Amino acid sequence: DAGVTQSPTHLIKTRGQQVTLRCSPKSGHDTVSWYQQALGQGPQFIFQYYEEEERQRGNFPDRFSGHQFPNYSSELNVNALLLGDSALYLCASNPRQVRVPTEAFFGQGTRLTVV
Amino acid sequence: AQKVTQAQTEISVVEKEDVTLDCVYETRDTTYYLFWYKQPPSGELVFLIRRNSFDEQNEISGRYSWNFQKSTSSFNFTITASQVVDSAVYFCALSEASNTGFQKLVFGTGTRLLVSP
Repeated sequence: DAGVTQSPTHLIKTRGQQVTLRCSPKSGHDTVSWYQQALGQGPQFIFQYYEEEERQRGNFPDRFSGHQFPNYSSELNVNALLLGDSALYLCASNPRQVRVPTEAFFGQGTRLTVV
Repeated sequence: AQKVTQAQTEISVVEKEDVTLDCVYETRDTTYYLFWYKQPPSGELVFLIRRNSFDEQNEISGRYSWNFQKSTSSFNFTITASQVVDSAVYFCALSEASNTGFQKLVFGTGTRLLVSP
C-alpha cells in the first residue's frame, strides 16, 4: 500500500499565477482533506471532500478551490497566488465514519514557494 | 471555537533523558477527540495516538505515554529514554465528534524536539 501520495513535491510559482496540487488517498479511504502548513506553524484545515463534493471548509478565501474525482483522488487549486501562500500543503485521507473520527493518514506534502 | 496550545516551541535533550511535551486545549464540545502526530523532516504527519474525552485513563505504548487530564484540559505526551530518532516536530490536535462523519483536525503550533547523542 503506497499510502497517501502527493505531487509535485516542490513547486515554485510567481505571484498572480495559478497552481494545481494533486493527491491520491490511501487505498480504501474515501475522504480527502487539505491542510496548509506555514513555516513554523501547525497545519491549518482548508477543506474536505467526500463523494466529489466539498463537505467542510476552513477559513480560506475562494482563491482556494478543490475537486475530488470518482477514484477518490483530489486536486487543490489556488488562483492569483500571493507571497503568503508559500507553505507546505498536506493532503490527508481517512475513511468516513460517523461520530468517531478515524485516523487520518497524511502525505509528505507539496512545498509551494511563491516568488 | 476550538483551540490547541503547545507552549513549548523547542526542547533539546540528551539521549536517554525523559521529556514531556505539553498540550492544552479549548473546546465547548462535551465529546471530542485528541491526537498526537509526529512530523519528521520528510514532512508527512505520522499518527501516534487518539483519545476520546470520556477516557481519561493514561496510556503507555513502549517508550511513549500520554496523560489526559480533563480537569486541566491537558493531554501531555512523555517520551521515556529518548533516542536520536525521536527528533521531530510533535503536534497535538483536537477534533469534534461529528454526526456527519466529516472531521477536521485543529492543530497546535507544534513542539520541535531535538535529541542529541
